Amino acid sequence: EVQLLESGGGLVQPGGSLRLSCTASGSTLSNYAMNWVRQAPGKGLEWVSGISYDGVSTYYADSVKGRFTISRDNSKNTLSLQMNSLRADDTAIYYCARAAGHGDASFQHWGQGTLVTVSS
Amino acid sequence: SYELTQPPSVSVSPGQTVSITCSGDKLGEKYAYWYQQKSGQSPVLVISQDNKRPSGIPERFSGSNSGNTATLTISETQALDEADYYCQTWDSSTAVFGGGTKLTVL
Repeated sequence: EVQLLESGGGLVQPGGSLRLSCTASGSTLSNYAMNWVRQAPGKGLEWVSGISYDGVSTYYADSVKGRFTISRDNSKNTLSLQMNSLRADDTAIYYCARAAGHGDASFQHWGQGTLVTVSS
Repeated sequence: SYELTQPPSVSVSPGQTVSITCSGDKLGEKYAYWYQQKSGQSPVLVISQDNKRPSGIPERFSGSNSGNTATLTISETQALDEADYYCQTWDSSTAVFGGGTKLTVL
C-alpha cells in the first residue's frame, strides 16, 4: 500500500519561508510524477506545483510562480516544496499527490496533508 | 487560464441516481478526473481518464466526457457517498480543478 506523509507545516509570518517534505512508503517515487495540491480553509482544491519523475521538468501555478520551488530526491524517496515570500492567502492544507503512472496523469495517491498558516 | 465549472451543490435520495457535471471549453478533448473528499479527509480518486474506476472504487461510480462537459454519475447512491466531488483536467502541463460540488444524500 502506498503511503505518503507530508511534514514541515506550521505557523509562519508573512514574508517568511517554509519547506515542506513528502516521504513515501510502499512505493518508489522515482517512477512517478509528483505534485503539490493545497486547500485553503473551507475552500476547494488548488494545484500548486508538479515535477516529472526524473526532476527535469517542473511546473507551477501562477499564484506561486517565482516564490515556490518544487524538488525531489529520488535516492531518498522524497519530494519537497520550498515556499518563500509567504502570504496570508497561502494558508492552506498542503497535500502531496503521486500520479497514477503508465500514462495516467491522475492524482492516484494522496498524503494526509500538512497545515501551513501564514499570519502575524 | 483554463476553467472548470461545477454546480456548488447537488442532492439525492438514497438509492437514486445522481449526476454531477463539470464544464470547460472543449473538455471532451482532454481527460477528466474525479475526486471524492469526505469531511476532514484527503481526496480520493474515483474516476480516471474520463471513465476508468481505480481499484476499490464501487461500480456505482461511472464517468463520461464529451463536448464541453464531463459527468460523474453515482447510481444506487448511499449515505456514505455524501462528500465533496471535484473534477480535474490538465491544460498546458497545469492541473486545473473545478470548484467542487457538495453532494447531499437526503
